[in-house]
Amino acid sequence: SQQGEEDPQALSIQEGENATMNCSYKTSINNLQWYRQNSGRGLVHLILIRSNEREKHSGRLRVTLDTSKKSSSLLITASRAADTASYFCATDHSGTYKYIFGTGTRLKVLA
Amino acid sequence: GAGVSQSPRYKVAKRGQDVALRCDPISGHVSLFWYQQALGQGPEFLTYFQNEAQLDKSGLPSDRFFAERPEGSVSTLKIQRTQQEDSAVYLCASSRTGGNYGYTFGSGTRLTVV
Repeated sequence: SQQGEEDPQALSIQEGENATMNCSYKTSINNLQWYRQNSGRGLVHLILIRSNEREKHSGRLRVTLDTSKKSSSLLITASRAADTASYFCATDHSGTYKYIFGTGTRLKVLA
Repeated sequence: GAGVSQSPRYKVAKRGQDVALRCDPISGHVSLFWYQQALGQGPEFLTYFQNEAQLDKSGLPSDRFFAERPEGSVSTLKIQRTQQEDSAVYLCASSRTGGNYGYTFGSGTRLTVV
């Protein structure tokens, strides 16, 4: 079963625009991670945010976490065509090593 | 090695055939995970190893699925008597510890059962 759900399921934007994806989860967590998956490839780890953090930045990525709402968002600023991919959030299942992935957001950045 | 290596990259199996999927984790990574990803879905947890010990196999869908990591490095996921519903991408990931610093994923094995 999948704990996380990303919203929207699909997103299409123009190059240079910002892209925001949301993730909701169900159980308590120690941390939440975001991954990118290009078509036909494995997942690439983007960023990890711990439950006691509210916001984290990495380059053009900004992640927020609201544990009271059990939700997180991933913002990609100044998007590029190369950002076209599926993005998944993953949460540690009740604080264990087992990460549960969401259903993903398919982002398409148009040049 | 520099990354997680999985082989074969693609596998077509006839229904009822046994298959073996290999994962070479990053050297020194203690934790190894197998996930199954159906088309258009997120990865679903199958099993977890810490060194050679299989600590969690709760995600294996049936007793036709078996995983091993006998020397604490290379792992093999075996599927016996494959069925069409086994068609998916099988992803292997490793991490230095339990994953709290993120997993490194391999490119996966795409299994198609015909």
